[in-house]
Amino acid sequence: AQSVTQLDSHVSVSEGTPVLLRCNYSSSYSPSLFWYVQHPNKGLQLLLKYTSAATLVKGINGFEAEFKKSETSFHLTKPSAHMSDAAEYFCVVSGFRGYSTLTFGKGTMLLVSP
Amino acid sequence: DAGVIQSPRHEVTEMGQEVTLRCKPISGHNSLFWYRQTMMRGLELLIYFNNNVPIDDSGMPEDRFSAKMPNASFSTLKIQPSEPRDSAVYFCASRTGTGGARAEAFFGQGTRLTVV
Repeated sequence: AQSVTQLDSHVSVSEGTPVLLRCNYSSSYSPSLFWYVQHPNKGLQLLLKYTSAATLVKGINGFEAEFKKSETSFHLTKPSAHMSDAAEYFCVVSGFRGYSTLTFGKGTMLLVSP
Repeated sequence: DAGVIQSPRHEVTEMGQEVTLRCKPISGHNSLFWYRQTMMRGLELLIYFNNNVPIDDSGMPEDRFSAKMPNASFSTLKIQPSEPRDSAVYFCASRTGTGGARAEAFFGQGTRLTVV
């Protein structure tokens, strides 16, 4: 069984300040982990993914995430927020087997103020 | 590639009517997912196909919902009869078989269903 918990439903930051969106996972196998972003009334776009290579993963738009097995975490960060980063972010876990589905967290809404 | 294509983008229907949502996955992808998104429940997996075969349909809410994948390039999600609580955004996603569970899924733009 696999699950993912996003610890914050909403995160508010000011433009130019760092962003931290937290995610913890549970998986019976060595997981693959993803972060997706959804802008209002849009589909979901992949930001980055971890698939057992480097534990620090760089994605699009300056985002990165670090896989920490000991803490079962995969937090998303960005050094400096832009107004265009305002969106909902989903942490996703996929299991080891080829038939594994993608399990989504509840999402974190990122609000960026000027 | 045009990505995952869903139709229609918006659907408004009356309670009791049949609704059919359509999805064309990315060519060459052999896994297809249907998700439903609501404010209350977030993103829920409804059904997952692999090589056109339903692998996991435990998320299908009830017998009013059915999904088919007659070939590798087309899938439908049908609701009959529809109810107001079915109002949601329905997403289709596809994933390549190469890399298995480590491959990311690509999502369509979604179908916003409103049942009045």
